[in-house]
Amino acid sequence: QQPVQSPQAVILREGEDAVINCSSSKALYSVHWYRQKHGEAPIFLMILLKGGEQKGHDKISASFNEKKQQSSLYLTASQLSYSGTYFCGTSYGNQFYFGTGTSLTVIP
Amino acid sequence: EAGVAQSPRYKIIEKRQSVAFWCNPISGHATLYWYQQILGQGPKLLIQFQNNGVVDDSQLPKDRFSAERLKGVDSTLKIQPAKLEDSAVYLCASSSNGPNTEAFFGQGTRLTVV
Repeated sequence: QQPVQSPQAVILREGEDAVINCSSSKALYSVHWYRQKHGEAPIFLMILLKGGEQKGHDKISASFNEKKQQSSLYLTASQLSYSGTYFCGTSYGNQFYFGTGTSLTVIP
Repeated sequence: EAGVAQSPRYKIIEKRQSVAFWCNPISGHATLYWYQQILGQGPKLLIQFQNNGVVDDSQLPKDRFSAERLKGVDSTLKIQPAKLEDSAVYLCASSSNGPNTEAFFGQGTRLTVV
């Protein structure tokens, strides 16, 4: 039931773009995205509730394709502060599961 | 607005001992989660409460783990007896109403079983 993320890890130079994907084997109702820095608690980025919905703030946005049971997180013009592990979270009815995680490192 | 409070922050115990963690969610949040995060892995849901009722505890090792949420507010998670593989960070999170609302996390309790 755990959603699978890809890639597992990515290294970017400041200013480059990245895409993180989240795939589920079950039908989704909503997708959450979180970022976790080393030794800290996960921080909420955004939630997408509808099929085909897109959301974003600043230079981070996401899409949710309900039919494909997939979501993608887009990071544009990455900054050093974007480094961390990104998790998608998916709800199946009342249950909620985090994805496998993607480690993102932004270097100067 | 006060965040999710957890205590203790760190705990070291010997295997076969018992330990308890406490969580105070954000005021008014109906949903409370306990997660186990082993180093290098994503958080694994142990139990989810809606008010004082259990919604999902399918991944809770019930032979040694127990959790309660008295009066639908504070919650405690207990491990008895602890095993070496229980070493992890235990995260508590709360959301206003269910898994389709934003979850706020506490700082977690880092448990080391020796």
